[in-house]
Amino acid sequence: DGGITQSPKYLFRKEGQNVTLSCEQNLNHDAMYWYRQDPGQGLRLIYYSQIVNDFQKGDIAEGYSVSREKKESFPLTVTSAQKNPTAFYLCASSIDPNQPQHFGDGTRLSIL
Amino acid sequence: SQQGEEDPQALSIQEGENATMNCSYKTSINNLQWYRQNSGRGLVHLILIRSNEREKHSGRLRVTLDTSKKSSSLLITASRAADTASYFCATDYYNNNDMRFGAGTRLTVKP
Repeated sequence: DGGITQSPKYLFRKEGQNVTLSCEQNLNHDAMYWYRQDPGQGLRLIYYSQIVNDFQKGDIAEGYSVSREKKESFPLTVTSAQKNPTAFYLCASSIDPNQPQHFGDGTRLSIL
Repeated sequence: SQQGEEDPQALSIQEGENATMNCSYKTSINNLQWYRQNSGRGLVHLILIRSNEREKHSGRLRVTLDTSKKSSSLLITASRAADTASYFCATDYYNNNDMRFGAGTRLTVKP
């Protein structure tokens, strides 16, 4: 079954700690995306990648970092520089930027 | 910055009624997409409509696009309790390779 998998489902971060959210897809999609969703809000783009070893900042990249070493994987690191990280993080992929995106089921990040 | 904005923010209807949600955007687009999100889950793609199309149907869903008004509408006919979710429009725009989502319409369908 093809799809996109995010882990963990819930994550807690201590002050000053970096945490990494995992996103894996087996859809053979070139493009992958990370979004942040705050309660009752829409999605805001953090980073996106159109191809392996290449990625671009979205609207709210500060305090986050990504890598795209493999086509299937696009991990997001929430660094200690992100002062308000509590949110629902969604990863998505698409064949190309003009095609529909397939979403994972999200990771909910909270502060301890 | 968000490209699309949905209206209304929340909508509550009875089962069997039709639900209409609207989306407005600011700049020229290549296509517009509608997505659905159940509480605590990821988004699911519903319909993509291109800038040269005016209307598309998929089952009980009907989407229209008016590029002169920079607006789109999503109509769900004969709604069911299972249609309860948030609905988002998303737009890309010329010379850009990412999409922007609106804040969504929260639809509640009462049985």
